[in-house]
Amino acid sequence: EPEVTQTPSHQVTQMGQEVILRCVPISNHLYFYWYRQILGQKVEFLVSFYNNEISEKSEIFDDQFSVERPDGSNFTLKIRSTKLEDSAMYFCASSEAISFRPLHFGNGTRLTVT
Amino acid sequence: DAKTTQPPSMDCAEGRAANLPCNHSTISGNEYVYWYRQIHSQGPQYIIHGLKNNETNEMASLIITEDRKSSTLILPHATLRDTAVYYCIVSNSGNTGKLIFGQGTTLQVKP
Repeated sequence: EPEVTQTPSHQVTQMGQEVILRCVPISNHLYFYWYRQILGQKVEFLVSFYNNEISEKSEIFDDQFSVERPDGSNFTLKIRSTKLEDSAMYFCASSEAISFRPLHFGNGTRLTVT
Repeated sequence: DAKTTQPPSMDCAEGRAANLPCNHSTISGNEYVYWYRQIHSQGPQYIIHGLKNNETNEMASLIITEDRKSSTLILPHATLRDTAVYYCIVSNSGNTGKLIFGQGTTLQVKP
């Protein structure tokens, strides 16, 4: 079964550094998402992306965050200047174009900011 | 905030049916009920969704009450690998994909 893949599985960075989290969505999916989960807390929506544009973003997704689909297969989340509170699991997801189709999540990148 | 209420935890014996309840009394007419689960901090995994009719797939059954104010996810023969946090989510987000996760129900399947 096709799956969403995320790299790296674990990223350690120093506060203030830029990080790029990478995702390869399912190939025929057109809608892409990032969610995050701080340790012990709920899964939180960050952003949705379609047709090279952000469809919706949450309050968490401030100017430090950006997303990009640099080619036909990758979908990236960039954090420009990481803070300690950005430490979390970051999950990428994708879905088909049809309304109300389920999201397929990757297994996440654990980001640790020191 | 999540628009659903779920018990924080439940136990189930291996091989028995697991029935996970969810209350969504403020659900709107165009909102679907989705169930996802998360096994040990892996990414959430889609299980099933429905609007008003009962649904069944290879993983589970979803029973939605006639007034749509509550639903039950049924895992017919729970295995140890079904131990996970189960999330009930209502959403009319269509393709924006904004799912609001609550705390879910931690299901412990015991041998």
